Amino acid sequence: QSALTQPASVSGSPRQSITISCTGTSSDIGTYNSVSWYQQHPGKAPKLIIYDVTNRPSGISNRFSGSTSGNTASLTISWLQAEDEADYFCSSYTGRSTLLFGGGTKLTVL
Amino acid sequence: QVQLVESGGGVVQPGRSLRLSCAASGFTFSSNTLHWVRQTPAKGLEWVALISYDANNKYYADSVKGRFIISRDNSRNTLFLQMNSLRAEDTAMYYCARGKYCSGGLCYFMGGFDSWGQGTLVTVSS
Repeated sequence: QSALTQPASVSGSPRQSITISCTGTSSDIGTYNSVSWYQQHPGKAPKLIIYDVTNRPSGISNRFSGSTSGNTASLTISWLQAEDEADYFCSSYTGRSTLLFGGGTKLTVL
Repeated sequence: QVQLVESGGGVVQPGRSLRLSCAASGFTFSSNTLHWVRQTPAKGLEWVALISYDANNKYYADSVKGRFIISRDNSRNTLFLQMNSLRAEDTAMYYCARGKYCSGGLCYFMGGFDSWGQGTLVTVSS
């Protein structure tokens, strides 16, 4: 099964908002509220920032928010800060007892 | 605090085997679903396998099914990944990651992975 589709890169200026999309199918994102988002800085392990579409783990800023519409999930980062510059990955249950990740999006803060 | 520490990576020839370990601390190890996830620069993150809190349920990605075996020792707070018949495409950084408690079904794949180790690098090459 192919990875979920994310844009390779997005960029934004400090204090702006950006949205990263994650497109799947009606068999995964379109059916299950299981989308998670991870932030990964260079040389570091991924960090969970959104789970089950809209939930933030304890300690994660409310500048990060998640949503879905149809077969597409979205991560929105508001009030961009320099430290948000990182790679972002989405994941979703596939409906076949497996989990799928997106290809990742590199966020550049201009 | 929660800590996961992987070990066992290295360089191995195609067709050979390797066993990864993940030592856990800072939480009740026997309560959580645990996962292995791998990452390459070219393909990004790829989920590999999960094991339930009691080791009664295991699921695998199609790409490793029949070759890899996930297991755990709750008395030693350690997760394992036995990798057999290794291929060049198995070359990756391997992470262990903590999932939520789940007694069965969809919840194995819900809740995200809230803690990750630092990874151990596996290189399959002749």
